[in-house]
Amino acid sequence: TQLLEQSPQFLSIQEGENLTVYCNSSSVFSSLQWYRQEPGEGPVLLVTVVTGGEVKKLKRLTFQFGDARKDSSLHITAAQPGDTGLYLCAWEPSGGGADGLTFGKGTHLIIQP
Amino acid sequence: DAGVTQSPTHLIKTRGQQVTLRCSPKSGHDTVSWYQQALGQGPQFIFQYYEEEERQRGNFPDRFSGHQFPNYSSELNVNALLLGDSALYLCASRLRDRGYEQYFGPGTRLTVT
Repeated sequence: TQLLEQSPQFLSIQEGENLTVYCNSSSVFSSLQWYRQEPGEGPVLLVTVVTGGEVKKLKRLTFQFGDARKDSSLHITAAQPGDTGLYLCAWEPSGGGADGLTFGKGTHLIIQP
Repeated sequence: DAGVTQSPTHLIKTRGQQVTLRCSPKSGHDTVSWYQQALGQGPQFIFQYYEEEERQRGNFPDRFSGHQFPNYSSELNVNALLLGDSALYLCASRLRDRGYEQYFGPGTRLTVT
């Protein structure tokens, strides 16, 4: 089973600051998904990255897939309290939409006003 | 368009008892997966149902079983409950083999005492 390591485990910063969280593995990903989960809710898909070196932007969030497809990062610019939540990366073995997902343990992010 | 719904929202059971959790997928989706999320952890894949059959299973004992009905809704059954089964149980639905995106429900919080 391919393990996903996420870092940092916890992060608390002030509103307006920038931050980066990471998702790493010793093996190559076929694809990687990032989710955000708020308290009392299920995870919500933010983005899927497939191609090595790929960069995707979602408003103030920038997702990058490593060239070797073994790691990914999520960068948030000018963080806002609404960004607070658990950020999860997940991998699907087949990459074709038919498998269960393997999740990392997540990064707990708190943005203080 | 209703998203994924789960019932009940919260549940308290005693060790040794049995529990049934229910999930209705997003309209148009045919595949349902169940995940267990312990406090402070990422979700862990339990199993996936498609065409009323279990198609894939994670590393969970036989005490965990499921069912999918003709209308694509699904049930998760857990027998002989243990304290360690206390967790948030998430249901996710997708349209099989049609890309990566899957939608999660809000979960059922199970507490075993």
